Amino acid sequence: GIQVEQSPPDLILQEGANSTLRCNFSDSVNNLQWFHQNPWGQLINLFYIPSGTKQNGRLSATTVATERYSLLYISSSQTTDSGVYFCAVVGPDYKLSFGAGTTVTVRA
Amino acid sequence: DTEVTQTPKHLVMGMTNKKSLKCEQHMGHRAMYWYKQKAKKPPELMFVYSYEKLSINESVPSRFSPECPNSSLLNLHLHALQPEDSALYLCASSQVEVTYEQYFGPGTRLTVT
Repeated sequence: GIQVEQSPPDLILQEGANSTLRCNFSDSVNNLQWFHQNPWGQLINLFYIPSGTKQNGRLSATTVATERYSLLYISSSQTTDSGVYFCAVVGPDYKLSFGAGTTVTVRA
Repeated sequence: DTEVTQTPKHLVMGMTNKKSLKCEQHMGHRAMYWYKQKAKKPPELMFVYSYEKLSINESVPSRFSPECPNSSLLNLHLHALQPEDSALYLCASSQVEVTYEQYFGPGTRLTVT
């Protein structure tokens, strides 16, 4: 199946800092989603972005499908941004495959 | 409305019990999914239903039995589970094809004693 690699695995930020999370994938994709999993386990949809650039408040994402990567930008981070960020893709097997996640901790 | 609901939120069961997890969506989606997530790991696909028919079973043990009674409901029947089956069970839905955006429920945290 398709391989999804996320980096970095862990990220510690001071409140107000900016950061970039990366997702690399090994094959062409039909779907790419970014999720934020909160401490209670809820997976919150951030972006559906198989290609192009989108912005939602302090978050933005860019997917360059031809180069097989996606980036998630967090600006002016807040403590509520803490949690695990997952990239998930649908590859040729038509299943949503998740990366291992990036654990973000934002300190006040 | 992009809400998927799951009940119960928490479940503790013994290895000889039979229990069911429930999932509901009212977004008109025709594909529904069960995922299993162990601590500090990403979700892993278990089952996919498309138009109320089972389309993918990821070699899940038969002690997990899915059911899709109608286009809005998805159940997961549990029987004779093992302690290693303790996990967060997530339900998701999407428009018919998996290439569409998936929306997840809050999950059921299952503990098998």
